[in-house]
Amino acid sequence: DVKVTQSSRYLVKRTGEKVFLECVQDMDHENMFWYRQDPGLGLRLIYFSYDVKMKEKGDIPEGYSVSREKKERFSLILESASTNQTSMYLCASNTGADTEAFFGQGTRLTVV
Amino acid sequence: GEDVEQSLFLSVREGDSSVINCTYTDSSSTYLYWYKQEPGAGLQLLTYIFSNMDMKQDQRLTVLLNKKDKHLSLRIADTQTGDSAIYFCAERSPGGSYIPTFGRGTSLIVHP
Repeated sequence: DVKVTQSSRYLVKRTGEKVFLECVQDMDHENMFWYRQDPGLGLRLIYFSYDVKMKEKGDIPEGYSVSREKKERFSLILESASTNQTSMYLCASNTGADTEAFFGQGTRLTVV
Repeated sequence: GEDVEQSLFLSVREGDSSVINCTYTDSSSTYLYWYKQEPGAGLQLLTYIFSNMDMKQDQRLTVLLNKKDKHLSLRIADTQTGDSAIYFCAERSPGGSYIPTFGRGTSLIVHP
């Protein structure tokens, strides 16, 4: 089975901290995605990557950056966390030929 | 641009059928999906339909696609309390766009 693993289920960070959210997939997928999920807003794409060291902005990239140094790992970075970044963060991966995206279990981040 | 819309809530009685509706705007969509998200978890693919089909049935699930009206529905027969979750409609377009576009999600509440 495809497995997408996010390093933390729950995180609490302070305003201004630098935050790293890690995601690892074990199926050699080219494409990886970071979404945030907020009530009533659904899933909004933050960044995606279609290859190692390649990244593209999604719909809401402001306040975030990403890193993809290895094919299996895609990191989301909050350079200076703010309270409006309190959310559920979901990582996903797929290949160009896949009919579906595979999701991690989510990281619920609270910024205080 | 691409947009996927669905109602936010649906409440049904256990044993009844549930119908979750979705409309989309991209007429070139090749795949249309239903994902399920249980509380505190990531999304899991429930079922999908290819755009040249108009119906797909899988046990208690029936997907109907009206391509002319760009309308997708998911019917769950004999709804159980374990079906309580958020259901996301998603589409994927051709031409190398491997990023699925999600609706805001419909919260299905099943009560006894």
